[in-house]
Formats: sequence, structure tokens, C-alpha cells
Amino acid sequence: IAGITQAPTSQILAAGRRMTLRCTQDMRHNAMYWYRQDLGLGLRLIHYSNTAGTTGKGEVPDGYSVSRANTDDFPLTLASAVPSQTSVYFCAKLSTGASGELFFGEGSRLTVL
Amino acid sequence: SQQGEEDPQALSIQEGENATMNCSYKTSINNLQWYRQNSGRGLVHLILIRSNEREKHSGRLRVTLDTSKKSSSLLITASRAADTASYFCATDGGYSTLTFGKGTMLLVSP
Repeated sequence: IAGITQAPTSQILAAGRRMTLRCTQDMRHNAMYWYRQDLGLGLRLIHYSNTAGTTGKGEVPDGYSVSRANTDDFPLTLASAVPSQTSVYFCAKLSTGASGELFFGEGSRLTVL
Repeated sequence: SQQGEEDPQALSIQEGENATMNCSYKTSINNLQWYRQNSGRGLVHLILIRSNEREKHSGRLRVTLDTSKKSSSLLITASRAADTASYFCATDGGYSTLTFGKGTMLLVSP
């Protein structure tokens, strides 16, 4: 059981609208991540947070923002959605201990028209 | 940019056959991981191999790592239809992040 929940599962959005994808974990793991997955491009890191109160930029951060007000929640916001942000978004958290394993949510499929 | 690159992009085999997927990467790593993704689902961790290890086994999975060639392979023995999925390698990308390859799509036919 990954213990990481994403919402919504799927959303269709008009270009220019603001959208927040929610990600919540239940085991108080410190590090959390947002990836986008596109056909032919694999997974690309958008933003990450190693602990509450800190965030960092990944490979493709433009057009996205994140916040980490507490350990459990790591929302991803698109301030003004564009069609190129149509993608499947995955939130993940890093396991504790030495395994280095990421636990993934089930994804949020976003379509921007 | 992607650190890991899987090969082949797609692989189609019959049940009972072995499936081998390869991953090449560009810079030095501390460890390399393999993940599986069923269609429409999130990724699931399969196995981690550290840079000082050459081979690791987990059930029907065998992973090798050759740091001199900057490559890894994932072997699934005696494949089953349920092994149909996409498989990704991932390398440590600094700041506790992972960098994923583009994946290999494996189709196992009954």
C-alpha cells in the first residue's frame, strides 16, 4: 500500500484556467515529488520537496508551482493552463530507510483544451 | 534530460520465454532502480541495485549492473501474461530525486 492519494483522477480544463492537483500522503515521509508522463518522453520531474517548508525545481518546472506547508500535502498548481500541459501527472514520495524507493500515486490525467 | 535510456522501446514475447530489457545511463550513479507500470496505473518499485553490486535477484527478476559500461539489464524469467507492462530504469539525480528513462513496453502473449 503506497499511502499516497492524488485528486482529481481526471480533469478537462480550458486553457487559461487555474488548476491545482492535490497529493496527500499518510505516512509522513519527508521527500515528495511531482512528475509528468508523456508518450515518448517518459517521466520528467517537475518539482520536488525534501521536507516541509522547502521545494526545488526539477527538469520541467515552468508553468507550475508547488507548496509544502506541511509534511502530508504537496499540491501542484498550474496558474494558467496551456494545451502543452496536457499530460498524466504523478505524485510520489520517498520511502524512509536505505531503499531509496519511490511510492507513486495512481496519477491525475489532465487535458487542457 | 533523461539520464537512463531503455532498450528496446517495445518487446513482444510468448509466455514462458525470458524477457531482457537494457538501460544505459550517462553519469556516475550511487544506485539504479527498476520500476514497473501497468497501463493506467502508477509506477511500482521492483528492485534497486547499488553501484558496488554487479547482480541482484528477486524472484523471477535478475538485474545486472556494469558501471564501466554505464549500463544495466533487467531479466524476467519464465514470463507470464501478467508481466505485460512498461518497465523503467531510474537513476539518482541528486537532491534525493530520481531520473527515469522512457521505458520499455513489454507484451507477453498467452
